[in-house]
Amino acid sequence: DTGVSQNPRHKITKRGQNVTFRCDPISEHNRLYWYRQTLGQGPEFLTYFQNEAQLEKSRLLSDRFSAERPKGSFSTLEIQRTEQGDSAMYLCASSRGPDTQYFGPGTRLTVL
Amino acid sequence: AQTVTQSQPEMSVQEAETVTLSCTYDTSESDYYLFWYKQPPSRQMILVIRQEAYKQQNATENRFSVNFQKAAKSFSLKISDSQLGDAAMYFCAQQGGSEKLVFGKGTKLTVNP
Repeated sequence: DTGVSQNPRHKITKRGQNVTFRCDPISEHNRLYWYRQTLGQGPEFLTYFQNEAQLEKSRLLSDRFSAERPKGSFSTLEIQRTEQGDSAMYLCASSRGPDTQYFGPGTRLTVL
Repeated sequence: AQTVTQSQPEMSVQEAETVTLSCTYDTSESDYYLFWYKQPPSRQMILVIRQEAYKQQNATENRFSVNFQKAAKSFSLKISDSQLGDAAMYFCAQQGGSEKLVFGKGTKLTVNP
């Protein structure tokens, strides 16, 4: 396994801009999860996919956030009209079934 | 709702000594998993150890072991023979039927040489 990868690793944007992050899970992992981690806190669940189906979304995921996993492989997380409160580390994890989740290195977003 | 509480924001240990990190949780589910993850500074989250709630035997992984008290909803992590590389944030997490992980706020572990 090559591990979960995320791109970009860092993103700086101005308030009001749209940003998109990508996550490539471990191959053959059918579940993919997105979490958000702010400074000094544990990660908070945003959403998850089983194959291409989005099965659960947190209330944290406002209508400015959208996630996709079109072919059941990589996933994208888009934030529209970014706000300063969106500044955080966005973590992706994958698992083979309802099993241990393996995390990627994260994308650190800074909104100016 | 599931909650996970780590009451020790920071802990320190001398190299080669033993340290125990505390975690309590609350859930109404009977079937769930508990995890400890390690997050070194500016590095990614790494699984340390996992415990299935239906197993009475405490999980162990080399120098890492847990004390799982299901009735008390307690899940502490013991690190033996601490090494400098153990310095990190440690997160306790629970996973129930919804599959999402619920994390505590973490404990920052410092290892002194």
